[in-house]
Amino acid sequence: QKEVEQDPGPLSVPEGAIVSLNCTYSNSAFQYFMWYRQYSRKGPELLMYTYSSGNKEDGRFTAQVDKSSKYISLFIRDSQPSDSATYLCAMSGQSAGNMLTFGGGTRLMVKP
Amino acid sequence: NAGVTQTPKFQVLKTGQSMTLQCAQDMNHNSMYWYRQDPGMGLRLIYYSASEGTTDKGEVPNGYNVSRLNKREFSLRLESAAPSQTSVYFCASSEGGRRNYTFGSGTRLTVV
Repeated sequence: QKEVEQDPGPLSVPEGAIVSLNCTYSNSAFQYFMWYRQYSRKGPELLMYTYSSGNKEDGRFTAQVDKSSKYISLFIRDSQPSDSATYLCAMSGQSAGNMLTFGGGTRLMVKP
Repeated sequence: NAGVTQTPKFQVLKTGQSMTLQCAQDMNHNSMYWYRQDPGMGLRLIYYSASEGTTDKGEVPNGYNVSRLNKREFSLRLESAAPSQTSVYFCASSEGGRRNYTFGSGTRLTVV
């Protein structure tokens, strides 16, 4: 079983919809949680960065961490065709240097 | 623009051939990483360099070697390429202790 699980999708939604992307993990030592966005044939780019539990909002994006359930989410409000990409969750422990463990990514398609 | 530059962008190798993937960053970051990305497998760490002069194995180091040439450059070498090494390779860097990585645009390698 992988340390970080993520539904590969694809997830297809109409423009304007609220999107929910999720990851589950098994390592209780993870303290840092990130979401990366990867456009086709490009490198991943950091979208959201959170520490420990709670919510963080940035514009149309909200990252949520529930450490008790080992579950993290990324919500996208008013989704746009430009949000079509693969979304990768990543996480890291407190004492393991700054090495990240990535999920397999969820492909999102937002249709006009 | 500041960032991580990878060369080449595409490469086709025959089984048994060798090659070096180059990576350079101009953000004065201490840490650099090499990942491979395969469908359904996400990003898997091959090698990393926490600082100039140090390198360590990641999750999937077999068949690869690395050199941290200086603070800017971190190369990945395939000594005898195998079809199982067909993948997209990403280099990334981060400031020491920080978990927000900057990725390059990738090298698409096919071994036939």
